[in-house]
Amino acid sequence: ETGVTQTPRHLVMGMTNKKSLKCEQHLGHNAMYWYKQSAKKPLELMFVYNFKEQTENNSVPSRFSPECPNSSHLFLHLHTLQPEDSALYLCASSQERGEGTGELFFGEGSRLTVL
Amino acid sequence: SQQGEEDPQALSIQEGENATMNCSYKTSINNLQWYRQNSGRGLVHLILIRSNEREKHSGRLRVTLDTSKKSSSLLITASRAADTASYFCATRGQAGTALIFGKGTTLSVSS
Repeated sequence: ETGVTQTPRHLVMGMTNKKSLKCEQHLGHNAMYWYKQSAKKPLELMFVYNFKEQTENNSVPSRFSPECPNSSHLFLHLHTLQPEDSALYLCASSQERGEGTGELFFGEGSRLTVL
Repeated sequence: SQQGEEDPQALSIQEGENATMNCSYKTSINNLQWYRQNSGRGLVHLILIRSNEREKHSGRLRVTLDTSKKSSSLLITASRAADTASYFCATRGQAGTALIFGKGTTLSVSS
C-alpha cells in the first residue's frame, strides 16, 4: 500500500466512449502526476500538477484531459481514444520542497485497452 | 532530453549472485533515483542519490553516481528470486522539473 489509489484497475473501452481514470493520494503531497507506460517504451510523463495547478503538459493529445480538483485527487478524462492509447496509466504523487528532490509514490496503475 | 538509458535491457542471474545495472543520462541533474516495478504493478522508489553524492547504500542495494560521465549504477548483492522485476533509473533536473524515466532493465533471478 503506497498511499496512492487508482481506479479502475482495468478498463476496456471503444474508440467512441468517454471514460475517466481516478487517482487519490492519502499522503498529504502537493504534486501529482500522470505517466503512460506502453510496452517497450520508457514511462512517458503526461501531466504534472503542483498545488492543483498544471505545470507541465507534455504535448499530450487533447483526447486526454486532466483534472485536479484538489491536491488529493487527480482525474484523467478519456474520449475518442485510439487503439495505440492502450497502455498502463500510472498516477504518482510527491512532496515538492522547491529543491526538486521529491521521490514519487506510484499507484498500481489503470490498465486501459482501447478496442 | 535528460532521459536515462539503462543497460543491459535484460539480465538473468542465479540466486546469490550480484546484479549490476547501469544508467546513463544526457544533461546535468539535481538527483538520480532508482525504482523497481513488479510485472503489471506500480513503481516503487528504491533509492535517491543527489548530484553531490558519489555512493549510497540501502540494505543490499548500492548506488554509485559519476556526474563527470553522466552515469549511475545499481548493484543488488546476494540476489533473491523475489528481486525479479524491472528496474528504472529516473533523473530530475533543475528544481521544479518532473522525473524522467529510462526504459528499464528487466532482472530475472532464478532459484
